Amino acid sequence: GENVEQHPSTLSVQEGDSAVIKCTYSDSASNYFPWYKQELGKRPQLIIDIRSNVGEKKDQRIAVTLNKTAKHFSLHITETQPEDSAVYFCGAGDSGTYKYIFGTGTRLKVLA
Amino acid sequence: GAGVSQTPSNKVTEKGKYVELRCDPISGHTALYWYRQSLGQGPEFLIYFQGTGAADDSGLPNDRFFAVRPEGSVSTLKIQRTERGDSAVYLCASSSLAGDTEAFFGQGTRLTVV
Repeated sequence: GENVEQHPSTLSVQEGDSAVIKCTYSDSASNYFPWYKQELGKRPQLIIDIRSNVGEKKDQRIAVTLNKTAKHFSLHITETQPEDSAVYFCGAGDSGTYKYIFGTGTRLKVLA
Repeated sequence: GAGVSQTPSNKVTEKGKYVELRCDPISGHTALYWYRQSLGQGPEFLIYFQGTGAADDSGLPNDRFFAVRPEGSVSTLKIQRTERGDSAVYLCASSSLAGDTEAFFGQGTRLTVV
């Protein structure tokens, strides 16, 4: 069945440094790749997404890259701040079926 | 309402009991998803609906779990003969089938089986 793998499971960075989280997916029909941020006790919130016809997308300090051939996509956060600390998880969606599968999550800690 | 609403927010039940978890999606969203989430983990797919029918229920762990969406809006996740291993946060999400593919999550129901 479909699967999304996410690495690392935990990541600690110094404030101001960059953080990179990587995901791979198995279903070649996937064409929509969202990233969610979830703070403790709160609902997941979409922070950025990318569709398969685009290789890279950027929104201020956040960027996502997609390599469809290798079935890899990554989240890049630059100039990290303490408020970036949260659990992040990637998703792979098929806009034909509207099914989403999510990765296992990365706990990011930004150290002040 | 403005977002996906789940009730109850917390549920404590005794092992062996039956529970129902409710999800009220964003009005007009045809697709509805149920996920289970353990602490610090990503959402684990359970089932999703397109309209009233279950389009894919391959993530339901066993036949104690069942979900319905009789009128294509509100959905109920039903768990029979609960076990301690069922304890988790159950998340619901909905999305539009009109080209907007973002899935909007509810705040979840924290189920604790004692």
